[in-house]
Amino acid sequence: DIVMTQSPDSLAVSLGERATINCKSSQSVLYNSNNKNNLAWYQQKPGQPPKLLIYWASTRESGVPDRFSGSGSGTDFTLTISSLQAEDVAVYYCQQYYSTPYTFGQGTKLEIK
Amino acid sequence: QITLKESGPTLVKPTQTLTLTCTFSGFSLSTSGERVGWIRQPPGKALEWLAVIYWDDDKRYSPSLKSRLTITKDTSKNQVVLTMTDMDPVDTATYYCAHRPTVKGFDYWGQGTLVTVSS
Repeated sequence: DIVMTQSPDSLAVSLGERATINCKSSQSVLYNSNNKNNLAWYQQKPGQPPKLLIYWASTRESGVPDRFSGSGSGTDFTLTISSLQAEDVAVYYCQQYYSTPYTFGQGTKLEIK
Repeated sequence: QITLKESGPTLVKPTQTLTLTCTFSGFSLSTSGERVGWIRQPPGKALEWLAVIYWDDDKRYSPSLKSRLTITKDTSKNQVVLTMTDMDPVDTATYYCAHRPTVKGFDYWGQGTLVTVSS
């Protein structure tokens, strides 16, 4: 199994400031055939299902604000929120869909400082 | 527009078998590249991937739960069914079904159904 490890477990950021969440996979999730990383980021608010934010490590899902961006390749990835808004308070998960089992990280809880 | 909805019992007893149904619309599971998966989330805990079924009826399971899980599809009804045997209180969780196209992760999710395992 590919183990996904996120850091930090929780994060408090002031409104308008940058938030950065890291995700590390235990093996590469880069498909050599198309040079794409099979890595997704999700946002989950209380009482709601997860929402897909980013796929292929850096491609924003349709309708996701451009303050959300993803970067990284191979085994190390980052989700960045450039200017934190109140509605961004949530738990964020990374997930690899390179191979089954499609493992998730443990989640990062993002709060307002 | 793609929608998914989970249905099934909210309470099961230990050792019983859980059967959950995911009814979806907006895509066909007979179309190449389409997949439907199940993910669960114990209260206050992280997401755990359980199983996925592919358009060609290929099936994959979480290794830790493989002996207890069965996933099937009924293309004519637009449904995917997950069964989990020998339920235990630690299996108490919200169970989600979700759509997975070829290039993305899970892009559409059901609202989830909370299943409590208790005698």
